[in-house]
Amino acid sequence: QQPVQSPQAVILREGEDAVINCSSSKALYSVHWYRQKHGEAPVFLMILLKGGEQKGHEKISASFNEKKQQSSLYLTASQLSYSGTYFCGGSSNTGKLIFGQGTTLQVKP
Amino acid sequence: DAGVIQSPRHEVTEMGQEVTLRCKPISGHDYLFWYRQTMMRGLELLIYFNNNVPIDDSGMPEDRFSAKMPNASFSTLKIQPSEPRDSAVYFCASSLYRGVEETQYFGPGTRLLVL
Repeated sequence: QQPVQSPQAVILREGEDAVINCSSSKALYSVHWYRQKHGEAPVFLMILLKGGEQKGHEKISASFNEKKQQSSLYLTASQLSYSGTYFCGGSSNTGKLIFGQGTTLQVKP
Repeated sequence: DAGVIQSPRHEVTEMGQEVTLRCKPISGHDYLFWYRQTMMRGLELLIYFNNNVPIDDSGMPEDRFSAKMPNASFSTLKIQPSEPRDSAVYFCASSLYRGVEETQYFGPGTRLLVL
């Protein structure tokens, strides 16, 4: 079952904040977040593991509610470079990720 | 590190022809994944390997699709015969250890157009 992302699209001005949500109907072991720019490959942003461990390398935060099987990605003080499509990927400890349909974020000057 | 390498970057072929996509994972990575991306279906996992062994190929759409990993540094995805509905971007990704706990690094993709 594919995770469901919301909203499908967001338009922001530079400096504004955004939240992208990801929910799954199946129990998740981990949630991955990726950003993809047009014509490029997805790039890793964050991993959230069951139990609360987080791994990331950018100034982007995220949360994972294990009870609700929901994850949220928080983009604060957005920059033009944040534009792209954001994907969440859910795993049920089988070794593979199932990606959501994506959320398109456009940041305008 | 050079990252995940895929070839060709673009492929245009005619329906019925055989297509072979190639991938070189990051050295030392134990897991290799093949994904397909289309507007309609999004980013789909086709198959993944662990230590060169196929673990899950449930995402492979049809028998026309096959994938191999003869060694730790090379994998192929073959479509024979190709059809227009196979047109998509095919990504290869690799990860160190278990893909669900580690970053998956994506290659640049192969853009396939079947006429």
